[in-house]
Amino acid sequence: QQQVKQSPQSLIVQKGGISIINCAYENTAFDYFPWYQQFPGKGPALLIAIRPDVSEKKEGRFTISFNKSAKQFSLHIMDSQPGDSATYFCAAIYTTSGTYKYIFGTGTRLKVLA
Amino acid sequence: DAGVTQSPTHLIKTRGQQVTLRCSPKSGHDTVSWYQQALGQGPQFIFQYYEEEERQRGNFPDRFSGHQFPNYSSELNVNALLLGDSALYLCASSFYRNSGNTIYFGEGSWLTVV
Repeated sequence: QQQVKQSPQSLIVQKGGISIINCAYENTAFDYFPWYQQFPGKGPALLIAIRPDVSEKKEGRFTISFNKSAKQFSLHIMDSQPGDSATYFCAAIYTTSGTYKYIFGTGTRLKVLA
Repeated sequence: DAGVTQSPTHLIKTRGQQVTLRCSPKSGHDTVSWYQQALGQGPQFIFQYYEEEERQRGNFPDRFSGHQFPNYSSELNVNALLLGDSALYLCASSFYRNSGNTIYFGEGSWLTVV
């Protein structure tokens, strides 16, 4: 119930294309859903996040779509660029015992071809 | 505004040895969490510290222990190292009362156990 399932495991997109990464969860107690971007040898960096009372959030070329009834959320990268090539992790957060806990997906390795 | 800083960046240890990793949180943050990230995997939660106490713990053995100091910095200690402990160890900081519970990662400490 505490798992976050992420797909695909890897993704290859042409420059200018749309990259779509999907995540699904079971625990309805999750109340915050961030996406992290990680370049090789670096720590994950927060990209964009959404709360379940919002169906979509857009920041520049990055958009999160959230479907509460289906318990799914996705990251869309518009006009994908070679510099977007990285590993992307979705996460879900729930609060327990007065504190919060992050559950990460397994990651999607994105490669954008020039 | 300094972000999360970790040290050392890389280290090699022998099986059975002990290791201490260090983390300074982002300015203004009072909560530190530690994660283990194996190659090709998402970060796995080890534990979280707030007010110098361990508040939550993931599914890691007692060989993994930690500490938080009055200045909010933290240490992760791993005893009796196993080959399987080889991973990137990430420190993440946040402000406990932040309703968004957004965490910010450091660059990580690469541990290789030989």
